[in-house]
Parts: sequence; C-alpha cells; structure tokens
Amino acid sequence: DGGITQSPKYLFRKEGQNVTLSCEQNLNHDAMYWYRQDPGQGLRLIYYSQIVNDFQKGDIAEGYSVSREKKESFPLTVTSAQKNPTAFYLCASSPSQGARTEAFFGQGTRLTVV
Amino acid sequence: AQSVAQPEDQVNVAEGNPLTVKCTYSVSGNPYLFWYVQYPNRGLQFLLKYITGDNLVKGSYGFEAEFNKSQTSFHLKKPSALVSDSALYFCAVRGPFRVTGGGNKLTFGTGTQLKVEL
Repeated sequence: DGGITQSPKYLFRKEGQNVTLSCEQNLNHDAMYWYRQDPGQGLRLIYYSQIVNDFQKGDIAEGYSVSREKKESFPLTVTSAQKNPTAFYLCASSPSQGARTEAFFGQGTRLTVV
Repeated sequence: AQSVAQPEDQVNVAEGNPLTVKCTYSVSGNPYLFWYVQYPNRGLQFLLKYITGDNLVKGSYGFEAEFNKSQTSFHLKKPSALVSDSALYFCAVRGPFRVTGGGNKLTFGTGTQLKVEL
C-alpha cells in the first residue's frame, strides 16, 4: 500500500528530553511537511522539505529540528527548547511540482509531556 | 503572506438538510484551494481542490465547493448532510509554485467542526 507512516502513534516525553517522531513515505514524493495541531489553532507549519538534503523553516520552527537524508524519510526532533510540545503532530507529502496537487497525510503522532 | 479564514468554529445542521462550511483566503497570484476532513485522532483526508476552470468543484462523499474570485471564497457544500459527515473540516491554500524563497507552502485555516444531528 502506498502511503505515509508516522510512528509512534502516542509518545510521552519527560521535561528536558529530546524526542524524535518518525515519518516515512513510499509515494515517491519529493516534498514533505511537518505540521503541529492544537485545538482551535488549526494546523501550523513547522518545517518543510522540497528535496533531499534541503529543508525550510515554517511558521513555528523554534524548538524543532529536522533532517532529510533520504527521499522517503523526514524525521522531526522535538528538542528541550520547545516549551510547550504537547500537541498532535502531522506529517504530509506531495509531488515536487506540487502547487496543483494535494498533500497526503499520515495518521499523526500525539506527543504528551509528563 | 498567504492566509485562510474559517469564520465558524462549529456548524450544526440536521440530517438531510444542506450544509455549508465557509472559507475565505488571501494569496498573491492565482490560488490553489483545498478542502480536507479530519476524524478524531486521525490524519487529514483530502476532499476536493480548485486549481482552474469551472468554479464549482465536485469531490468525495458528495461534497462540492464553489470558488468565488471576487469574494476570495471557497465554501464547502453538500446538498443533504449525513450524521457520518460529522467531523472537523479544514480549508487550505497554496500560492503559485516557486522553486526558491519559500517554495510550496500549504496554509490551513483553523478548522470548522461540523455536527450533523438526527
């Protein structure tokens, strides 16, 4: 099945810890995105990548880091610098010439700070 | 900067009645507009998109949307609502594709919770 896989589905982090959320796609898409979802705030863009070994900050990149070493993978690290990391995180992908095409989403990772 | 506004946090409608979920946008150049639906604790599912051409776009599950350039709106509609349509709906906009300088950002509204009751 083609699609986007996010893991884990639920993640618990202690104060001061870094955690990494996984996102893998087998759609052969060049572009990948990370969004954060909070109640009443919709989806806010954290980082996006148009091509391997390149990525851009989105609207709320502070406290997050990403890498794009492979086309299929776009992991997101939530660092201890992120003061309020509890949220639902969504990964998406789209074809490189993607202005006209929709993005495809994974099932999300719910991160909770304990 | 591009942006999307969904003015209603929640829309309530009786099953069998028509529904409308409102969306307005702001973007430089021709817009590419999208509607997505989200069920609890799940990712977003694509419903429909407007790229060019006919202002009335038909999508999945009987949904349609009307693009109005003068009003910069892209309202989602369905002639007869079902209880199973109850979910969170997101409108999104993407500006013309650019290779550099921000590329291909997809910007979402804050979402509208649709509740369809018997």
